[in-house]
Amino acid sequence: QKEVEQNSGPLSVPEGAIASLNCTYSDRGSQSFFWYRQYSGKSPELIMFIYSNGDKEDGRFTAQLNKASQYVSLLIRDSQPSDSATYLCAAVIQGAQKLVFGQGTRLTINP
Amino acid sequence: GEEVAQTPKHLVRGEGQKAKLYCAPIKGHSYVFWYQQVLKNEFKFLISFQNENVFDETGMPKERFSAKCLPNSPCSLEIQATKLEDSAVYFCASSQVMAGMTYEQYFGPGTRLTVT
Repeated sequence: QKEVEQNSGPLSVPEGAIASLNCTYSDRGSQSFFWYRQYSGKSPELIMFIYSNGDKEDGRFTAQLNKASQYVSLLIRDSQPSDSATYLCAAVIQGAQKLVFGQGTRLTINP
Repeated sequence: GEEVAQTPKHLVRGEGQKAKLYCAPIKGHSYVFWYQQVLKNEFKFLISFQNENVFDETGMPKERFSAKCLPNSPCSLEIQATKLEDSAVYFCASSQVMAGMTYEQYFGPGTRLTVT
């Protein structure tokens, strides 16, 4: 079992709808969670990070963390074609500092 | 600087040749990380530094890979005797970490290494 798992997609969402991206992790020692967006040929760009159970909102983005279920999600409201990219979920295990990435979910927003 | 800088953008090496990649972290960030991204988005952690000290090198293929972060110099990742399988994009990231908390990592633009 991979330490961080994502559905690789592709996930196709109509413009203006909500895109929901999901991630599970296996190590209960994971303390911090990050969502990165990566356009083709570019570097990962930090979108959201979350440390505590519950929801965290930033503009059109909401990150959700449920440590009991070992589940992290990212919601993108009012999806735009420019949101089309690969979204990477990453976790940091306490004390380790390094990011452990999922395989990424490719998201396509259809105009 | 305000961004992680990496050089060169592209590097082509014949199999068996040496490759050296450079990274300048964001000013004030004390942690530097190297990751390798191969096909299908798979990221592999290589090594991390806290200032000039190796923090975690569990991902490094030690027989051919080495890395340094020296004071007042860019960090470097060196691959001796490159192999075809080393072809990948190498990303450097930096972060600040305080008192056991993990802060977010910011990535540089990457160096694409092609081994022929």
